[in-house]
Amino acid sequence: KNQVEQSPQSLIILEGKNCTLQCNYTVSPFSNLRWYKQDTGRGPVSLTIMTFSENTKSNGRYTATLDADTKQSSLHITASQLSDSASYICVVSAGNNAGNMLTFGGGTRLMVKP
Amino acid sequence: DVKVTQSSRYLVKRTGEKVFLECVQDMDHENMFWYRQDPGLGLRLIYFSYDVKMKEKGDIPEGYSVSREKKERFSLILESASTNQTSMYLCASRSRVRSPLHFGNGTRLTVT
Repeated sequence: KNQVEQSPQSLIILEGKNCTLQCNYTVSPFSNLRWYKQDTGRGPVSLTIMTFSENTKSNGRYTATLDADTKQSSLHITASQLSDSASYICVVSAGNNAGNMLTFGGGTRLMVKP
Repeated sequence: DVKVTQSSRYLVKRTGEKVFLECVQDMDHENMFWYRQDPGLGLRLIYFSYDVKMKEKGDIPEGYSVSREKKERFSLILESASTNQTSMYLCASRSRVRSPLHFGNGTRLTVT
């Protein structure tokens, strides 16, 4: 059964600090992995996509990594801001059909405090 | 920018009522999805559609049906609402398999 596990479930950090969110998956065959940010009361928004051949990708203060051998991804947030307070969801796509096999992680709820 | 609009932000319905949740996207996307989001369970796929009048069951279709008569509109129907269908419902669309999902802002449904 395809699974995506995220850790920690929740995290509180001070403004300006860095943090790293983890995503472990058992999805086969792997196609790609996306990180989404979900602000309170809003739908998730895609931050970045990682494919099999990519190890690292940055989007501003967000840097995602992928280790396809260990089936792990991380999302690193640098110099956090209050607006980073949100849930971060890891979504892994299986590549064996029309592509609607998306497996969602449970999310990490990040709170950035002043 | 892609816009996915869900008709209601909040709904309160009684047990046994028929409930319609509407979703409209403005980018001519082929694929549309309905998810429910519950604390501790993440997003779970109810139904998806890859073309007009086409639909496929997701992981938790029981108690739900869908309708897609026009490309831009995907409706979720609860034939007889039950309290265990109290949840946040999210609609999403995307153009191609590897494109990101574009979500609406959700409908929080409470069934009493």
